[in-house]
Amino acid sequence: DVKVTQSSRYLVKRTGEKVFLECVQDMDHENMFWYRQDPGLGLRLIYFSYDVKMKEKGDIPEGYSVSREKKERFSLILESASTNQTSMYLCASSLGLTGIQPQHFGDGTRLSIL
Amino acid sequence: KQEVTQIPAALSVPEGENLVLNCSFTDSAIYNLQWFRQDPGKGLTSLLLIQSSQREQTSGRLNASLDKSSGRSTLYIAASQPGDSATYLCAVRQSGGSNYKLTFGKGTLLTVNP
Repeated sequence: DVKVTQSSRYLVKRTGEKVFLECVQDMDHENMFWYRQDPGLGLRLIYFSYDVKMKEKGDIPEGYSVSREKKERFSLILESASTNQTSMYLCASSLGLTGIQPQHFGDGTRLSIL
Repeated sequence: KQEVTQIPAALSVPEGENLVLNCSFTDSAIYNLQWFRQDPGKGLTSLLLIQSSQREQTSGRLNASLDKSSGRSTLYIAASQPGDSATYLCAVRQSGGSNYKLTFGKGTLLTVNP
């Protein structure tokens, strides 16, 4: 089975802090994704990566950056956290470059910015 | 811009009933459609993926159909059980361009009563 592991289930940070969310997958997947999920808005794509050191912006990249130095690890960075970034963050991965394989999700990180 | 709608937003049924969840999308130029399950406070679990060339997929008591030309998919759950209670999400992957991105519906909250 595919395993996507997010480093924290719950995280509380303060406004202005630099925040790192980590995601690791164990299936050698090329593609990795970061989404946020908010009530009434559903899931929205922040960034994705299709290879090491490669990244593309999703629908809502403002205020975020990402890092993919190794194939199995994809980090989401909040450069200066703000209260409107309080949300559930979900990481996903998928195999191959054709886009036909399903995305597999981690358990999510519930982030609160005070 | 692709939009995905799920109706109903919430559904409550007695145990043992067969039920259908609906998903519609505005742009039929899709690569595939994926159904997910999400338990409260958790990540997404992939249930079924239907490629654009397929009409349906089955897994156990679940059957998903796809009518690409009309922009519709249904998830049929047979002999529902209390353990099926969860939010069910559908997501489509666009063909062409950046074909990694999934566009999600806002989900149907299913409650199966014992």
